Amino acid sequence: QKEVEQNSGPLSVPEGAIASLNCTYSDRGSQSFFWYRQYSGKSPELIMSIYSNGDKEDGRFTAQLNKASQYVSLLIRDSQPSDSATYLCAVTASNYQLIWGAGTKLIIKP
Amino acid sequence: DADVTQTPRNRITKTGKRIMLECSQTKGHDRMYWYRQDPGLGLRLIYYSFDVKDINKGEISDGYSVSRQAQAKFSLSLESAIPNQTALYFCATSDFPGPNTGELFFGEGSRLTVL
Repeated sequence: QKEVEQNSGPLSVPEGAIASLNCTYSDRGSQSFFWYRQYSGKSPELIMSIYSNGDKEDGRFTAQLNKASQYVSLLIRDSQPSDSATYLCAVTASNYQLIWGAGTKLIIKP
Repeated sequence: DADVTQTPRNRITKTGKRIMLECSQTKGHDRMYWYRQDPGLGLRLIYYSFDVKDINKGEISDGYSVSRQAQAKFSLSLESAIPNQTALYFCATSDFPGPNTGELFFGEGSRLTVL
């Protein structure tokens, strides 16, 4: 059973601090990794994709991938109250199916 | 207007009724998906279609059927609804080349309650 694990949270972070969200996956053949943001009652929205080991930065967001340790993380710098949402990690398994984590709820405290 | 439109947005029905959820998209994408989301379980794939003539079962297809009427339309049916099909349903599209597609565009969701 291919799995993607996330801490459900809630993760509470002060405004202006760095929020760190983590995701581990079980399938060593996974090649593609994604972070989606989902506001309460809304649909998921892709915010980051990463395909190779290392860091990928986009504005205040940085995705980090370590295939050897089978984890992917999302850092949000200068956290804002508008970043409060559930963050979903998704991984393309070796059979090309997209496997989803259950999400981490992030709360940014003003 | 949204690029991926789902109707209805909310539906309450009774056990045993037939329900259809509809999805239409203006993005021009070939790939379309139906997911359900339950609290604490994440998104689970019901069916997906890579083009009009291609329909594939996902991990939880039992109790559901789909129809791809056109490139832009993909409908999900519950032939005889049961209470454990109460969930939030999402349609999604993708145009990412190759099999490693995970860059999805979601509709606004259809909340279904089966009494």
